[in-house]
Order: sequence, then C-alpha cells, then structure tokens
Amino acid sequence: NAGVTQTPKFRVLKTGQSMTLLCAQDMNHEYMYWYRQDPGMGLRLIHYSVGEGTTAKGEVPDGYNVSRLKKQNFLLGLESAAPSQTSVYFCASNSHPGDRAHLWEQYFGPGTRLTVT
Amino acid sequence: GQNIDQPTEMTATEGAIVQINCTYQTSGFNGLFWYQQHAGEAPTFLSYNVLDGLEEKGRFSSFLSRSKGYSYLLLKELQMKDSASYLCAVRTEGAGSYQLTFGKGTKLSVIP
Repeated sequence: NAGVTQTPKFRVLKTGQSMTLLCAQDMNHEYMYWYRQDPGMGLRLIHYSVGEGTTAKGEVPDGYNVSRLKKQNFLLGLESAAPSQTSVYFCASNSHPGDRAHLWEQYFGPGTRLTVT
Repeated sequence: GQNIDQPTEMTATEGAIVQINCTYQTSGFNGLFWYQQHAGEAPTFLSYNVLDGLEEKGRFSSFLSRSKGYSYLLLKELQMKDSASYLCAVRTEGAGSYQLTFGKGTKLSVIP
C-alpha cells in the first residue's frame, strides 16, 4: 500500500495563477482532510470530506475549493493564488469511527510545498 | 472555539526524560492525540487518550486529565532521533463529523 500520496511535491506559482493539488489514498478511508502548515501557526484545517461527493469547510477555507468525486481522491484548488497561500499543504485520511472506535488516527501524506510570488 | 497551548521549544539531553505539556479548552471533546513530526516530513501518530490516565507505549507515554483540560507526553531514554516537533491535537465532534484541532507544536532538541 502506498498510503496517502500527494502531487506535486513542490510548486512555485505567480500571484493570480491557479492550480490543483491532488491527494490520493489507497486505504479505502471515508474521511479526508486538507491542512496547511505555517511557521508558528501549526496545522490548520482548510476543508474536509466525510465521504465521496461531500465536502465541508474547516478553519481557514477562504481562497480554496475542494472536490471529492472519487472516494480515493481529494482535490484542493486555488483559483487565484496569493502570496498569503505560500505554505506546506498536507492531506490526511482516516477510516470511519465505527471501524476503529477506540482509535481514530489520521494518516498524513508527505506534503506539498507551495510558494506564491 | 478551540484553544490548545503547548510550549514552543524544549531542549533535553540524550538519555534523559522529558515531559511535553498540552492544555486545551474545547467544546465537544472526544479524545487527544500526540503526533511526531520531523523537520520536512509529515506528522506521524504517537498516541491517543480518550479516558483519564496514562497510556504507555515503549519509551513514550501520554497522560490525560479531562477535568483539568491537560495532557502530557513523556519521552524516556531520549535518543538523538527524538529531535522533532511534537503536536498535540484534540478531537472534537461537530456537524456530524469529527475533526482534529492541532496545537502549534513543541520543537524538541535532544543534545548529546
């Protein structure tokens, strides 16, 4: 199993450009998440999904959109990139609570380092 | 809202014991996680507490007091490879789903 994978690993964008970050998991997990991590700020939840075809806003959703058309994939889109979106983006996933009721561990991808100039 | 506090940085000596504290104020508490994150890498799961008390896992132990909104991660027999950031995260339930809210992390430096 590859676990959680993210593409691309690195990207440099100019202000106003758009891009899509792809997260894929092969663990048949129901729940998927997008976080951003900035120095001194910790991990902050952008959007999440509780199943195929569903998405919901997290703590910092502005400037991002997401889609979950297939259970194994969760896409994060930036329509018009801004320098404030320079960050490391992590995708994570976990199974439905009922599968492992006593342990609800999130598995993280390796991250995407995005710079917006 | 959620508020999670942990020290920004700590330094400890190889072979020693270090305790990393985490205090939280949240609504809908459903458990507390500790993650380890080496520089430039993804967070990896260390421990999970949902009931009060101590959970031991090899050199690592985690404690939870729900009434005090307090947890700590105890690392014994420190090794150089334990130099990393340690993230405290609280699981909460809201809008029919579960989320993790992370603290800002504690950067631990292990020195010889």
